[in-house]
Amino acid sequence: EIVLTQSPGTLSLSPGERATLSCRASESVSSNYLAWYQQKPGQAPRLLVYGASSRATGIPDRFSGSGSGTDFTLIISRLEPEDFAVYYCQQYGSSPVTFGQGTKLEIK
Amino acid sequence: QVQLVESGGGVVQPGRSLRLSCAASGVTLSNYAMYWIRQAPGKGLEWVAIISYDGLNKYYADSVRGRFTISRDNSKNTLYLQMNSLRAEDTAVYYCARPKTGNYQSPFDFWGQGTLVTVSS
Repeated sequence: EIVLTQSPGTLSLSPGERATLSCRASESVSSNYLAWYQQKPGQAPRLLVYGASSRATGIPDRFSGSGSGTDFTLIISRLEPEDFAVYYCQQYGSSPVTFGQGTKLEIK
Repeated sequence: QVQLVESGGGVVQPGRSLRLSCAASGVTLSNYAMYWIRQAPGKGLEWVAIISYDGLNKYYADSVRGRFTISRDNSKNTLYLQMNSLRAEDTAVYYCARPKTGNYQSPFDFWGQGTLVTVSS
């Protein structure tokens, strides 16, 4: 199965700053079938980006995804207070689907 | 508005059984494959089981194969997970999740709120 490694494990930033989250796959993700999710405490994950760079319905344009092959990035251009959460990447190009271990974005 | 509502979680002793349900509204589940995904306390996400839209094909993670059974009743718009021979390591929040495009190779655009299963003596 494809192993996804996210970095950093924790990212400490202030509102208004730019966040860059990384997701590296152990092998190439087929068709760039890579998604990003946001999860807040006590809530289910919320789909942000799919197909590496397509924003899901209702997701603000400050969230952008990029990358291909084995290296993917989620950028949050200007952090809002509600953006502080845990972020997971997921590949769905190969069975079984797998998730990264998460990046916690915390307020500095 | 799509809603997935899980139920059936609770505290159970090792070796016992539990059945989870996921009731859908605002969507016809029979158009979609469906997943169960779990999250152990403070940990990441792990897929548990998948079922095809018609219930004929089922797949399981190695960690639960032979102990868990996924099923669905499309007439009731409901997904199930029968969990037998539970172990402490099965302790987690269990989510049902809908693949965006309805098939296996898809991101998940709708999730239930989750139901907590705690396996402890």
